[in-house]
Amino acid sequence: QKEVEQDPGPLSVPEGAIVSLNCTYSNSAFQYFMWYRQYSRKGPELLMYTYSSGNKEDGRFTAQVDKSSKYISLFIRDSQPSDSATYLCAMKEYSSASKIIFGSGTRLSIRP
Amino acid sequence: NAGVMQNPRHLVRRRGQEARLRCSPMKGHSHVYWYRQLPEEGLKFMVYLQKENIIDESGMPKERFSAEFPKEGPSILRIQQVVRGDSAAYFCASSPGDEYEQYFGPGTRLTVT
Repeated sequence: QKEVEQDPGPLSVPEGAIVSLNCTYSNSAFQYFMWYRQYSRKGPELLMYTYSSGNKEDGRFTAQVDKSSKYISLFIRDSQPSDSATYLCAMKEYSSASKIIFGSGTRLSIRP
Repeated sequence: NAGVMQNPRHLVRRRGQEARLRCSPMKGHSHVYWYRQLPEEGLKFMVYLQKENIIDESGMPKERFSAEFPKEGPSILRIQQVVRGDSAAYFCASSPGDEYEQYFGPGTRLTVT
């Protein structure tokens, strides 16, 4: 079993729709949770970074963490064609040498 | 503030040659991480370095791969005697400390022919 599971998609939605992206994890030591966006043939770009259960909002993006269920989500409101990319969830433990563990990524396409 | 810089962006090597990938972290960042991304897969951790120290190399293949982050200059990921299976995108990330976010460079795409 992978430490982080993420549905690879692809996910296609019309412009303006609300998008929900999800990941589950098995390692209860994960304390930091991130979402990265990666455009084709580019490096990952950090979107959201949180270390507690609950919601964190930034513009059209909301990150949700439920540590009891080992489940994280990213919501995108009023989706735009420019949001079309691969979205990677990522996590790391609280330790002095903590590497990031990534999900495999969900490919998202927003139809104009 | 310039971001993480990687060069070359594209590298082609024949089987058996050596590949050297360079990474300059963001200004003020002293922690460097290397990740590998195979086609249609997520990123896999390889190694975590601070200046002149390897902190965690648990993701590095046991043979042919090495990494360094000298006191002066960029971090180097070296792959000796490359094989076709080494073809991938190699990303470097940096952070100001191990509890902070990691910011990624644009990657080096290695193709082994």
